[in-house]
Amino acid sequence: EAQVTQNPRYLITVTGKKLTVTCSQNMNHEYMSWYRQDPGLGLRQIYYSMNVEVTDKGDVPEGYKVSRKEKRNFPLILESPSPNQTSLYFCASSDRVSETQYFGPGTRLLVL
Amino acid sequence: ILNVEQSPQSLHVQEGDSTNFTCSFPSSNFYALHWYRWETAKSPEALFVMTLNGDEKKKGRISATLNTKEGYSYLYIKGSQPEDSATYLCAFMKGSNYQLIWGAGTKLIIKP
Repeated sequence: EAQVTQNPRYLITVTGKKLTVTCSQNMNHEYMSWYRQDPGLGLRQIYYSMNVEVTDKGDVPEGYKVSRKEKRNFPLILESPSPNQTSLYFCASSDRVSETQYFGPGTRLLVL
Repeated sequence: ILNVEQSPQSLHVQEGDSTNFTCSFPSSNFYALHWYRWETAKSPEALFVMTLNGDEKKKGRISATLNTKEGYSYLYIKGSQPEDSATYLCAFMKGSNYQLIWGAGTKLIIKP
């Protein structure tokens, strides 16, 4: 089944404790992206990647890191999480830049 | 920061009525315009990706038009049904770097 998976789905952590949210797609897609969704603000792009070893900053990259060592995986790293990073995070992928995106199920993060 | 505006913010429509809403985006540096449907507690699902001025796309009772010169797209729903209740998101893709900028969405509620 074609899908985008994210882990974990829910996470409660404390300020400063490094964490990684994994994202994996099995569709051989080139374009992958991370978003955060906050009430009243819609989706905001954090980072995106056009292909392996190619990553670019989106609207809100501060406090986040990403890597794209393999085509299927695009992990999101929070080196030192802070409470303002409490949010709902989505990973998405598409075959090409102009194609529709397939979204993962979301990761709800709470930073205390 | 580029702005993508969606209006109205929310909309109550009687079952069986038709409705439409708007996505406004920058008219320069255009690459593509995406529409997604987002139901509560689920992930966004793609409706359309539009790239050419004058494009019209249709999927069942839902259709969309695109005017890249003036920077707007309309989404139409004909004969609304309760299952159409969702938030409808549009996203503008910049031609210079393929970044996606999202609107805050139009929340549609269909009254039986």
